[in-house]
Amino acid sequence: SQQGEEDPQALSIQEGENATMNCSYKTSINNLQWYRQNSGRGLVHLILIRSNEREKHSGRLRVTLDTSKKSSSLLITASRAADTASYFCATDPNYGGSQGNLIFGKGTKLSVKP
Amino acid sequence: KAGVTQTPRYLIKTRGQQVTLSCSPISGHRSVSWYQQTPGQGLQFLFEYFSETQRNKGNFPGRFSGRQFSNSRSEMNVSTLELGDSALYLCASSLVAQDGYEQYFGPGTRLTVT
Repeated sequence: SQQGEEDPQALSIQEGENATMNCSYKTSINNLQWYRQNSGRGLVHLILIRSNEREKHSGRLRVTLDTSKKSSSLLITASRAADTASYFCATDPNYGGSQGNLIFGKGTKLSVKP
Repeated sequence: KAGVTQTPRYLIKTRGQQVTLSCSPISGHRSVSWYQQTPGQGLQFLFEYFSETQRNKGNFPGRFSGRQFSNSRSEMNVSTLELGDSALYLCASSLVAQDGYEQYFGPGTRLTVT
């Protein structure tokens, strides 16, 4: 079963606006990762945040992690049309160490209009 | 460094046939994971290999199998294909650590079963 659940399922914004996507999960994790996918192509890794971290930045991306609420958020600032894609959160469950089995949510479809 | 490569990129097979997909990880990465992506089920973990050993397996029937070679290249095999096996098959490679590392995905193999 899916561990991560993204919210919202779809998001439509204007260029220049910020986009916020949320992710909730169920079990203890080693880390949580965010990926982007354009039109059924391969996934592009965006950012990884470990279970002992609370916030991480990478360029226009800001990720937060609240392990007590089992939730994460991805903020994309000053969005561009090129950010149009599906965004997935993936959890690396802690079964006594990482074993390479990311559990993905169903994703948020982001549309950025010029 | 070259990225993760997958071959073939597209494949059309008939029900009952079998298929083998190949994945070459990023140089130095010893962990290879496989995922199936369908519109209905989303991204689902198939299995993960590290040092030629399957460390983890998702909830898929025994028709799905894989292996990893000494050079870390991996193959997955699906026997007795069913229409529901039509999907995008993605492999990902990563370094290995107790608390996990980023997984880097290949472009995928799109399998169509008719």
